Amino acid sequence: SQTIHQWPATLVQPVGSPLSLECTVEGTSNPNLYWYRQAAGRGLQLLFYSVGIGQISSEVPQNLSASRPQDRQFILSSKKLLLSDSGFYLCAWSDAARTQYFGPGTRLLVL
Amino acid sequence: AQKVTQAQTEISVVEKEDVTLDCVYETRDTTYYLFWYKQPPSGELVFLIRRNSFDEQNEISGRYSWNFQKSTSSFNFTITASQVVDSAVYFCALSDFRDDKIIFGKGTRLHILP
Repeated sequence: SQTIHQWPATLVQPVGSPLSLECTVEGTSNPNLYWYRQAAGRGLQLLFYSVGIGQISSEVPQNLSASRPQDRQFILSSKKLLLSDSGFYLCAWSDAARTQYFGPGTRLLVL
Repeated sequence: AQKVTQAQTEISVVEKEDVTLDCVYETRDTTYYLFWYKQPPSGELVFLIRRNSFDEQNEISGRYSWNFQKSTSSFNFTITASQVVDSAVYFCALSDFRDDKIIFGKGTRLHILP
């Protein structure tokens, strides 16, 4: 069965520091991968998605970037965090039936 | 443009009551997919159901049931005999046939009171 992992689970970072969040998927090959942010409430904002290694599409211009160095690895990064980057970051993968399955998420607090 | 509207921001019911969460969607496509997800306090989004636009049959899974009506562009979710563990934020979502991107509604926060 497929499993999706995210780490760290929680992160507190100062403004201006770098960021690296990692997401890995097990039990499937060549999945589409997604990064979402959920800030200040419930809304889910799609940040990036990837259909393959090295292929990244950005949905919202921002302080963040994403990379996919391996088939089942998706990384969210920032060179300098802003206060507004605080939130709950969710990674997801989708199957052939177009259903997205989400990881446990990372809570990021930028101080 | 695609859009998902969950007009109910927050609902509170007493345990064992039935509750219906509304979802209205907009799309120009004839082929599309509808979803419901549950987000418990832990934060992880849990997939509940997926329906495609050609399948209007209502679905029941235990205490959960879904009513899909294309005529009113609605995909409502009913919990029968609610339990405290049903307390969560519930998201309705829509995607078209072109890609895997999903448009989420803003969610409905459901409180089941003991």
